[in-house]
Amino acid sequence: TQLLEQSPQFLSIQEGENLTVYCNSSSVFSSLQWYRQEPGEGPVLLVTVVTGGEVKKLKRLTFQFGDARKDSSLHITAAQPGDTGLYLCADHGSSNTGKLIFGQGTTLQVKP
Amino acid sequence: GAGVSQSPRYKVAKRGQDVALRCDPISGHVSLFWYQQALGQGPEFLTYFQNEAQLDKSGLPSDRFFAERPEGSVSTLKIQRTQQEDSAVYLCASSPPGRGNQPQHFGDGTRLSIL
Repeated sequence: TQLLEQSPQFLSIQEGENLTVYCNSSSVFSSLQWYRQEPGEGPVLLVTVVTGGEVKKLKRLTFQFGDARKDSSLHITAAQPGDTGLYLCADHGSSNTGKLIFGQGTTLQVKP
Repeated sequence: GAGVSQSPRYKVAKRGQDVALRCDPISGHVSLFWYQQALGQGPEFLTYFQNEAQLDKSGLPSDRFFAERPEGSVSTLKIQRTQQEDSAVYLCASSPPGRGNQPQHFGDGTRLSIL
């Protein structure tokens, strides 16, 4: 069974700082997804990465996919309080039903 | 258009009671998923429907958990004889038809508390 491990588990920073969170898999990703979840809401898809070495940018967020497709990182530049939330990585793994396997998440708190 | 709708948003029940959680997927979405999310953790898969067919129920933790989607639209997750460890947020997600894995759209969940 594929396991996704995220680090750090919790991160508290000041507005304007940069940060990086990580996602590592026990097996090769099929298609890795990053979600952000705010309190009381469901996860919202940020990006999907498929190709080893791929880099995607979404405004101040930069997503990297490791060459071996077993790790990924999310870098946020100049964090803002609106970035606060739970960041989750997820993969479909070997499933042919589309079900997602999630990491345990990184809780980010950005203080004004 | 409307997103995935779940009801109730909050449910408090006494240990031993039965509960039913409802999910209204996005219209036209063929696939429907239920996940369980403990506090501060990532969601864990419970079960999957394609239209009215339940194709994967490998994540249901016990036979007290039952899900149905009789007409291929609305789905209900039922938990019988609830126990304290059932306390969690239950998320529903739907995805459209198409080749390969389609993006899942999540509802805001039902927060279940068992006293």
